[in-house]
Amino acid sequence: EVQLVESGGGLVQPGGSLRLSCAASGFTFSSYEMNWVRQAPGKGLEWVSYISSSGSTIYYADSVKGRFTISRDNAKNSLYLQMNSLRAEDTAVYYCARDTVHFLASSDAFDIWGQGTMVTVSS
Amino acid sequence: AIQLTQSPSSLSASVGDRVTITCRASQGISSALAWYQQKPGKAPKLLIYDASSLESGVPSRFSGSGSGTDFTLTISSLQPEDFATYYCQQFNSYPRTFGQGTKLEIK
Repeated sequence: EVQLVESGGGLVQPGGSLRLSCAASGFTFSSYEMNWVRQAPGKGLEWVSYISSSGSTIYYADSVKGRFTISRDNAKNSLYLQMNSLRAEDTAVYYCARDTVHFLASSDAFDIWGQGTMVTVSS
Repeated sequence: AIQLTQSPSSLSASVGDRVTITCRASQGISSALAWYQQKPGKAPKLLIYDASSLESGVPSRFSGSGSGTDFTLTISSLQPEDFATYYCQQFNSYPRTFGQGTKLEIK
């Protein structure tokens, strides 16, 4: 079964750090680009970060640039998000999502999502 | 950054109704648009990619259309399990922005 499972969320104080993990199974992880997407309580979806299959290309949302670092370990089939200098507005469910280009398609889509991990930034 | 504006933000409809949700991009994105369905407490689910291609396993009552700046998601005959929030997302450029969502509720 194709699956993504996030972990590492929790309660952290403002200014603190947290590292999220996303374990992939059921597909060739090293062949896929990956993303992090978050959703604040009661709010919409916000794209956070992208990493290419090799890890050589990375993008961030302006809201997290300079504070968050995306990485991956293809040998461990894992995606990571290191979050530093956390703020109250970073409180959200964080999802990892697989980036796919379907056969004959001209653009990407996020076809597989994890169940999410909750990050709460509060004193 | 490309902005996506969905309308309406919320919608009340009945089982069997035909429903259309629109997504307008702040600049042209060709057909680089996807639609997702999200139910409370669950991860989003891909419905449509490339603006009009149906994801495998998604019922054929869902369809997408449009290109450039204006897009629509249509549900031809609402089923009870379709009451959820729907999001569009653009794949023309980074950041990969989402629309603000459309909450579809039971009338």
